[in-house]
Amino acid sequence: GESVGLHLPTLSVQEGDNSIINCAYSNSASDYFIWYKQESGKGPQFIIDIRSNMDKRQGQRVTVLLNKTVKHLSLQIAATQPGDSAVYFCAENLYSGAGSYQLTFGKGTKLSVIP
Amino acid sequence: DAGITQSPRHKVTETGTPVTLRCHQTENHRYMYWYRQDPGHGLRLIHYSYGVKDTDKGEVSDGYSVSRSKTEDFLLTLESATSSQTSVYFCAISTGGLAGGPRRTDTQYFGPGTRLTVL
Repeated sequence: GESVGLHLPTLSVQEGDNSIINCAYSNSASDYFIWYKQESGKGPQFIIDIRSNMDKRQGQRVTVLLNKTVKHLSLQIAATQPGDSAVYFCAENLYSGAGSYQLTFGKGTKLSVIP
Repeated sequence: DAGITQSPRHKVTETGTPVTLRCHQTENHRYMYWYRQDPGHGLRLIHYSYGVKDTDKGEVSDGYSVSRSKTEDFLLTLESATSSQTSVYFCAISTGGLAGGPRRTDTQYFGPGTRLTVL
C-alpha cells in the first residue's frame, strides 16, 4: 500500500489567509520528507524539506511541521497568494535496497486561492 | 529547473508503435529518474539510473525500458505503446551521488514533463 497519503484532496482559501495542507505517513522508519508544489502543466517544484530530528522548519512564507508521534506532517503557507494555487505533494525518501533511495509521493492536495 | 529538459513535450501516437522520450540535464548529476503521473495515482517511479549504463527498475517498470549512454541523457522507451501508457511523464535528477553513494536527504528536481497520448 501507499506509505504517504493526504487527508484532503482539495482546499479553498481566501487570499491573505493562511493555508494548512496535511499529510500522513505509515512508515515509522521514515526520516526525511519533502513538500513539492506543482502548477498546472509544470513539473513538481521543491518547496521545503524536513528531517526527522526536527519538529519544525521554516522557509519563505512556508513552514513544515513534523509530528513523529502520530506520523503526520503539515505544510503551512502564510498570507496565501493567488500564485500559491497549485497541487501540493508530500513525499518521503525511502531506501530501495538497491543502492538508491526512491521518493514515494502522496496523491496531492489541490489548493485554490480565492481572490 | 536544475537544467533539465524533456523532449518531446507532447506526443500523440498509436497503439503498438515504439516511442522514445528524452531527458537531458546540463549539470552532470549522477542520478536520474523517470516517473509517470496519472490522476488518482500521483507520481510513480518507472526506472532510475545511478550512472552511465547503470539502471534499475522502479514501481511500474513493465512495458518500459531505459538507456543511459551519456551522463546528460536518460531515455525512456515504450517498445510497443498501449493505451494504458497514456500519461504525463516526468524526468528528475537527484542532487546527491557526486561523491560516494546516495543519501536519504538527496533532493530530486523535476523536468517540465512530456504529455503522451496513445490512441
